[in-house]
Amino acid sequence: QKEVEQNSGPLSVPEGAIASLNCTYSDRGSQSFFWYRQYSGKSPELIMFIYSNGDKEDGRFTAQLNKASQYVSLLIRDSQPSDSATYLCAVRRGSQGNLIFGKGTKLSVKP
Amino acid sequence: DAGVTQSPTHLIKTRGQQVTLRCSPKSGHDTVSWYQQALGQGPQFIFQYYEEEERQRGNFPDRFSGHQFPNYSSELNVNALLLGDSALYLCASRPRGANTGELFFGEGSRLTVL
Repeated sequence: QKEVEQNSGPLSVPEGAIASLNCTYSDRGSQSFFWYRQYSGKSPELIMFIYSNGDKEDGRFTAQLNKASQYVSLLIRDSQPSDSATYLCAVRRGSQGNLIFGKGTKLSVKP
Repeated sequence: DAGVTQSPTHLIKTRGQQVTLRCSPKSGHDTVSWYQQALGQGPQFIFQYYEEEERQRGNFPDRFSGHQFPNYSSELNVNALLLGDSALYLCASRPRGANTGELFFGEGSRLTVL
């Protein structure tokens, strides 16, 4: 079992819809969870992070964490074509560990 | 305020050669991590430097080595290059004193090994 698993997609949603991206992790000692966006040929860009159970909202983005079920999700409301990218989930083990990334989910928002 | 900067942006090497990649962290950042990202994959952790010492290391062979300088900049060295070393090499830095672990990435160095 991989440490961080994501559906590689592609996930296709129409413009204006809600895109839902999911991620599961295997290490129960993981403490912080991150979502990065990566456009083709570019480097990952931090969207947001979460470390407490529940929801965290930032503009059109909402991260959701459920430690008991070991999953973290990212919701993108009012999806725009400019949101089309690969979304990487990353998990940090403990308080000093580095980030472990999933393979990413490719999102395509159709006009 | 410059972000994380990396050089060179692209390079081509042949098998068996050696390569050095360079990274300058963002201002106010003191920890540098290096990642390898193969096409279609997520970034894989190589190692992390803090206070000029390697603090953590991922599952990479000794051909991969690094260094951090007193000004927090860092180098990644890869010896005896293999075709499988072709990838995007990402440097990421962390703010001084940050407890939450977020990393900020540079634009990467794309290495092609022929």
